[in-house]
Amino acid sequence: DAMVIQNPRYQVTQFGKPVTLSCSQTLNHNVMYWYQQKSSQAPKLLFHYYDKDFNNEADTPDNFQSRRPNTSFCFLDIRSPGLGDAAMYLCATSRERRTSYNEQFFGPGTRLTVL
Amino acid sequence: GEDVEQSLFLSVREGDSSVINCTYTDSSSTYLYWYKQEPGAGLQLLTYIFSNMDMKQDQRLTVLLNKKDKHLSLRIADTQTGDSAIYFCAESYTGTASKLTFGTGTRLQVTL
Repeated sequence: DAMVIQNPRYQVTQFGKPVTLSCSQTLNHNVMYWYQQKSSQAPKLLFHYYDKDFNNEADTPDNFQSRRPNTSFCFLDIRSPGLGDAAMYLCATSRERRTSYNEQFFGPGTRLTVL
Repeated sequence: GEDVEQSLFLSVREGDSSVINCTYTDSSSTYLYWYKQEPGAGLQLLTYIFSNMDMKQDQRLTVLLNKKDKHLSLRIADTQTGDSAIYFCAESYTGTASKLTFGTGTRLQVTL
């Protein structure tokens, strides 16, 4: 089945220690997104890639970076994780970037714990 | 600004109807969506409605949109235990390509 895969499902890191979360997709979609979801809160868009074009949200901290080496893979790098960065990180894809109907397909998420 | 609000929790008995509500503030919304998140899983699109419609039915799901009041609801008929999950409404709007703004989610608990 075509899908969005996130690894690892659970990640523990230390305060200030860089961490990378991984997302891959077999849907061959052009757009890939990273969301941060804290407990009992709405998923918050951090950034998205349209093909190789990187689009950062205005309020995404500089501590968060992303890489998309090819269509299938996208990485979220947190350079110096703080306690406030503990959250579920969701990767999603969509076929195209549209101003109208935009179905996004989500991976299961990576739960990040910062000690 | 963009703000999408939902009540946090809803409990219903199996076989009853569930109604999950959502209010949004941006009148330029073009599409509104309902996503379901089961424990340990990602969000899954359940249904959506275009902003020029006021109702959409899809099997057990009925979406009602009151654009004047900026109110969206999801009705689940004959609710089953497998419907227990968190339900998120989301909106997309003209001029912000690809961006979805999500509500805080409503946790639906189905009891026997």
